Amino acid sequence: ETGVTQTPRHLVMGMTNKKSLKCEQHLGHNAMYWYKQSAKKPLELMFVYSLEERVENNSVPSRFSPECPNSSHLFLHLHTLQPEDSALYLCASSQVEGGTYEQYFGPGTRLTVT
Amino acid sequence: RKEVEQDPGPFNVPEGATVAFNCTYSNSASQSFFWYRQDCRKEPKLLMSVYSSGNEDGRFTAQLNRASQYISLLIRDSKLSDSATYLCVVNMGNNNDMRFGAGTRLTVKP
Repeated sequence: ETGVTQTPRHLVMGMTNKKSLKCEQHLGHNAMYWYKQSAKKPLELMFVYSLEERVENNSVPSRFSPECPNSSHLFLHLHTLQPEDSALYLCASSQVEGGTYEQYFGPGTRLTVT
Repeated sequence: RKEVEQDPGPFNVPEGATVAFNCTYSNSASQSFFWYRQDCRKEPKLLMSVYSSGNEDGRFTAQLNRASQYISLLIRDSKLSDSATYLCVVNMGNNNDMRFGAGTRLTVKP
């Protein structure tokens, strides 16, 4: 399935590195999301872009910086992360404003911070 | 009270069994409700939306009880392939803000 793609699928980075996660949706949706999934915890919503504007930012530390250049692409820029940031980072998209709001997820990037 | 609460299980059932999961939510303004399934080390996948009148998709039936603020998922004639974690998802009165439950783990055994 290629509806929502994410790269890389796995990432190991040191605490002083800078890296970016990429998400692309091919569903014609107008909203995109970043979630964090840690072991034994529910998915946590990090950022929402709706109609290319950021509309949610759930008290995420500034070491995570999202970017949404257009409705099909979403990035998560990472810098000076901590080991507790190790998790599965999931991107999702949905159709809002007249859509069903059902979210479709990419396969995720499994991030390990050493 | 947690925003979205599910029994974590695990539920271990034999093939062919009927199993039901409940999920409670705290925000009375919530308008959108969904069930997702997540297989081990995979992304969540939409199973079904939950409508006010209740809805059925094959062996799966979802119901909403607004007065008691819970939704349910019933799986009939369980298959081995139904083994997964089932996630309850509720919006927080704002369709950009969906909250996920921690999931209920189901294992269907031969």
